[in-house]
Amino acid sequence: DIQMTQSPSSLSASVGDRVTITCQASQDIANHLNWYQQKSGKAPKLLIYDASNLETGVPSRFSGSGSGTAFSFTISSLQPEDIATYYCLHYDNLPFAFGPGTKVDIK
Amino acid sequence: QVQLVQSGAEVKKPGSSVRVSCKTSGGTFSSYNLNWVRQAPGQGLEWMGRIIPMFGLTNYAQTFQGRVTITADESTSTAYLELSSLTSEDTAVYYCARDEAKVGTSVFLHYWGQGTLVTVSS
Repeated sequence: DIQMTQSPSSLSASVGDRVTITCQASQDIANHLNWYQQKSGKAPKLLIYDASNLETGVPSRFSGSGSGTAFSFTISSLQPEDIATYYCLHYDNLPFAFGPGTKVDIK
Repeated sequence: QVQLVQSGAEVKKPGSSVRVSCKTSGGTFSSYNLNWVRQAPGQGLEWMGRIIPMFGLTNYAQTFQGRVTITADESTSTAYLELSSLTSEDTAVYYCARDEAKVGTSVFLHYWGQGTLVTVSS
């Protein structure tokens, strides 16, 4: 099974800061990776699919990149409404697996 | 507009079973894979399995093999998750999540239900 790791596990940044989260797969998954935002008590929301494609309606300050085993997710200018936990998900083969999540807070 | 509406919260005794439903609207039910994901309190997301309604094919995570059954009723556009032999470790929010087709690609776990809290307690 493919294992997903994420770093950092949590971060605190100021409004307007650039924030980057990384996700590592235990083997090559091409671009078969999504990024999700989960706010407290809510269902996850898809932000990025196929590693770098911005989902319709998602603000352009969110972006994703990478392929193979190394991926990154960036918020170019952190906003107060971005407080959430962010997860990567691989769907390269079964079983699908999520990263452990990165909790983002405002300093 | 795609919507996934799940059944309400459940409280179950250890050793019993639970069935959670996920009614979908928007798009052709049989055309899209339907996944189940769970989240224990304060924990991350865990993929449990999926059904491909068009073929009635199911795939399950090894962790749940033998205890989980995912079914689909095309007549009501509803998918079901049944989990048996419940223990306190199965206390979690259970989500359904549907795939979606976009031009040139499939988007996995695109749309999500609101979640169903299952509490296992004696």
